[in-house]
Amino acid sequence: AQSVTQLGSHVSVSEGALVLLRCNYSSSVPPYLFWYVQYPNQGLQLLLKYTTGATLVKGINGFEAEFKKSETSFHLTKPSAHMSDAAEYFCAVSDLNQAGTALIFGKGTTLSVSS
Amino acid sequence: DAGITQSPRYKITETGRQVTLMCHQTWSHSYMFWYRQDLGHGLRLIYYSAAADITDKGEVPDGYVVSRSKTENFPLTLESATRSQTSVYFCATGTSDYNEQFFGPGTRLTVL
Repeated sequence: AQSVTQLGSHVSVSEGALVLLRCNYSSSVPPYLFWYVQYPNQGLQLLLKYTTGATLVKGINGFEAEFKKSETSFHLTKPSAHMSDAAEYFCAVSDLNQAGTALIFGKGTTLSVSS
Repeated sequence: DAGITQSPRYKITETGRQVTLMCHQTWSHSYMFWYRQDLGHGLRLIYYSAAADITDKGEVPDGYVVSRSKTENFPLTLESATRSQTSVYFCATGTSDYNEQFFGPGTRLTVL
């Protein structure tokens, strides 16, 4: 069965510092991988996704993530944090071979950004 | 273009009452999903639907009922609400393209 582990339920950084949110997955087949962001009192918004091809994927708001099959990881990074990045971030995995299946989500990481 | 809407956005009810949460999409996506979000659990799938009149259970279906008579609507009913069903409920739609999903704004449900 697929699963997702997000290391660190809460990450705090200073404005301008590197953001690194960790995600490891478990899947018996090559997966689709996603990062979603949730701002307070809002739904989830897709940041980026990995499907096939290039393992470094770029998303919105300056975020990027790298798929590392050997490490079963899909960590999210941003070179320089902004105050507006404060939100909750979810990593999710889906089975590449099953169209329309639900995503399996990690428990989320809350990112705090201080000035 | 509203995309995906949920109503009500906030609901307070009492134990034992029936509650229906509505989800409507304008994209004509085949797949629709209901998740609940609870602190420490992330998002957990309640039910999903691959098309009109096709539904299936997710991870936490007990106490919930769904129907999908039209592609655009996917209501979620709590037949007899319990305090443990206090949560934020998200509806999502999806396509078969890479299983990407699109989320509604959520309904915050409190059961007293």
